[in-house]
Amino acid sequence: SYVLTQPPSVSVAPGETARITCGGDDIRSKSVHWYQQRPGQAPVLVIHYNSGRPSGIPDRFSGSNSGTAATLTIRRVEAGDEADYFCQVWDNTGDLRRVFGGGTKLTVL
Amino acid sequence: QLQLQESGPGLAKPSETLSLTCTVSGGSISKSSHFWGWIRQPPGKGLEWIGSVYYSGSSYYNPSLKSRVTIYADTSKNRLSLDLSSVTAADTAIYYCARHATGDQAPFDSWGQGTLVTVSS
Repeated sequence: SYVLTQPPSVSVAPGETARITCGGDDIRSKSVHWYQQRPGQAPVLVIHYNSGRPSGIPDRFSGSNSGTAATLTIRRVEAGDEADYFCQVWDNTGDLRRVFGGGTKLTVL
Repeated sequence: QLQLQESGPGLAKPSETLSLTCTVSGGSISKSSHFWGWIRQPPGKGLEWIGSVYYSGSSYYNPSLKSRVTIYADTSKNRLSLDLSSVTAADTAIYYCARHATGDQAPFDSWGQGTLVTVSS
């Protein structure tokens, strides 16, 4: 089955830029979505179809998908950005399923 | 504004069937543009898609759970339901319902708050 690999944790100081990667086999051929999950809350879609931003998501959030990994970039990081971030794709390489990455804990120092 | 609300027993016994309901308000599950799905998250762990259902009743499931899962839509009550049979402690998780557009690659764009289910005797 298809596996999405994320770093377990990323740390960044306020005001800096955070980059969270999501790796998978031939991921550039897939549409990658990103979700933010603050402690005790449900996930929220922050990036869809690799780089689209849903309504209400600040433009500090951006996404890309090229090379060997998809990347979620958060510029001018704020304390409120501290959360778990999950990538997600549709796996059509074998068993058909929606797959999530293991998640990355973003810590704002 | 679309709202999804999960409900059901917070405790299930091993080997029994776990049954949950997701009631949708502020929108109709009968819209042809969307599927409605279930996702779960064991405490402190990642997300796992369980399956999705269309208002017509058409459904598809995560192959790893398919033999134990049924998801169905009740358009008269504007809700969807999940049955997971033969549960074990490994099924202890927060269960979320969420919406996604038709199309295999569509994201989950609206989520419920989730309900914690513990499997224990």
